[in-house]
Amino acid sequence: EAGVAQSPRYKIIEKRQSVAFWCNPISGHATLYWYQQILGQGPKLLIQFQNNGVVDDSQLPKDRFSAERLKGVDSTLKIQPAKLEDSAVYLCASSRVALAAEAFFGQGTRLTVV
Amino acid sequence: GQQVMQIPQYQHVQEGEDFTTYCNSSTTLSNIQWYKQRPGGHPVFLIQLVKSGEVKKQKRLTFQFGEAKKNSSLHITATQTTDVGTYFCAGRSGGYQKVTFGTGTKLQVIP
Repeated sequence: EAGVAQSPRYKIIEKRQSVAFWCNPISGHATLYWYQQILGQGPKLLIQFQNNGVVDDSQLPKDRFSAERLKGVDSTLKIQPAKLEDSAVYLCASSRVALAAEAFFGQGTRLTVV
Repeated sequence: GQQVMQIPQYQHVQEGEDFTTYCNSSTTLSNIQWYKQRPGGHPVFLIQLVKSGEVKKQKRLTFQFGEAKKNSSLHITATQTTDVGTYFCAGRSGGYQKVTFGTGTKLQVIP
């Protein structure tokens, strides 16, 4: 089966600009996650979707970050406006259901804010 | 909020030596998962532990879940250069099984 697809792979923007990331999870996976991984740290959960509903966004900086999952399939994560500290790899992952054992990760988008 | 710490942060071993990383949660977990992330790569699922005191083995890797379901360990016997990477534990808790990743242990294997 095809894996989790993310685009773009790399993005460089200036601070205060906007950026959007796209994720296509594995077909049939109900749960989708967005993680932020700063260099040298573990992934930090930003938002978790169950189908097209949000089940956890407690660590999402809602003043600048937004995410949606249309029709319970693809998802986009947006940052507006970006700050220097947003430089990180943004990982999308999916699993069959929320209680599933295994989450499959995409290759990630490396964002550099200058 | 829930915190998951791992020690050590870094470990350099000679090829053939054993390696252990420890994971400690501030709260009781429903289950714990382990992931491996190669340099420049993304996390790849290794295993999930659910039961108190559970022990699972995968070839040279042994995973344990503590009796109180607040700690876990990963032990690698006779490391190989292919074991290089960062090992993360990820604890799940709460109604929607929110995942909190640990701080990670970076393993370097010297040939």
